[in-house]
Amino acid sequence: EPEVTQTPSHQVTQMGQEVILRCVPISNHLYFYWYRQILGQKVEFLVSFYNNEISEKSEIFDDQFSVERPDGSNFTLKIRSTKLEDSAMYFCASRVGQGATGAYEQYFGPGTRLTVT
Amino acid sequence: GDSVTQMEGPVTLSEEAFLTINCTYTATGYPSLFWYVQYPGEGLQLLLKATKADDKGSNKGFEATYRKETTSFHLEKGSVQVSDSAVYFCALSPARGSQGNLIFGKGTKLSVKP
Repeated sequence: EPEVTQTPSHQVTQMGQEVILRCVPISNHLYFYWYRQILGQKVEFLVSFYNNEISEKSEIFDDQFSVERPDGSNFTLKIRSTKLEDSAMYFCASRVGQGATGAYEQYFGPGTRLTVT
Repeated sequence: GDSVTQMEGPVTLSEEAFLTINCTYTATGYPSLFWYVQYPGEGLQLLLKATKADDKGSNKGFEATYRKETTSFHLEKGSVQVSDSAVYFCALSPARGSQGNLIFGKGTKLSVKP
């Protein structure tokens, strides 16, 4: 069964460093997402990506964040200068479906735990 | 803005007990509603969904009914098993103006004892 994969499973970085979190969505999916979950808090939407551009982003997704689909298979989230409060579990998700309905299932990866020290 | 509120955990039950996890939402119009489950060390998996009022989603013995009048989507199972131990998330996808992004509740951890 196809699945979304994420690497690394755990990333430790120092404050101020850049990190890139990687995701490989399911191959025939068209919509891609990043979410994050700070320990003990809700899973929060960060950004959605469709047709090689950002289609929607939350208030959390400020200028320190960027996303890219560099080669047609990988989907990356970059944090340019990490802060302590960026420590969280980051989930990638993808879905197949045309249009902007919310009824299609999103398939989630296992997450990358980012620890900023 | 749109939001989801679900009951605080953790919830500990004995095997074969009845499970209810409450979920209520605030949203404009008619959002789609979902329950996701996260087993230890794994990603979020869709458990069930409902896309319009009075729809009942069901899967693996779990059920939830989309109640517009009470803005609720409570998760139920008649007889839980040890293998149901996981974290359960209620979520919604806004009715319009979104690309399908999900808004989640905080999650409820369920532990089932043999």
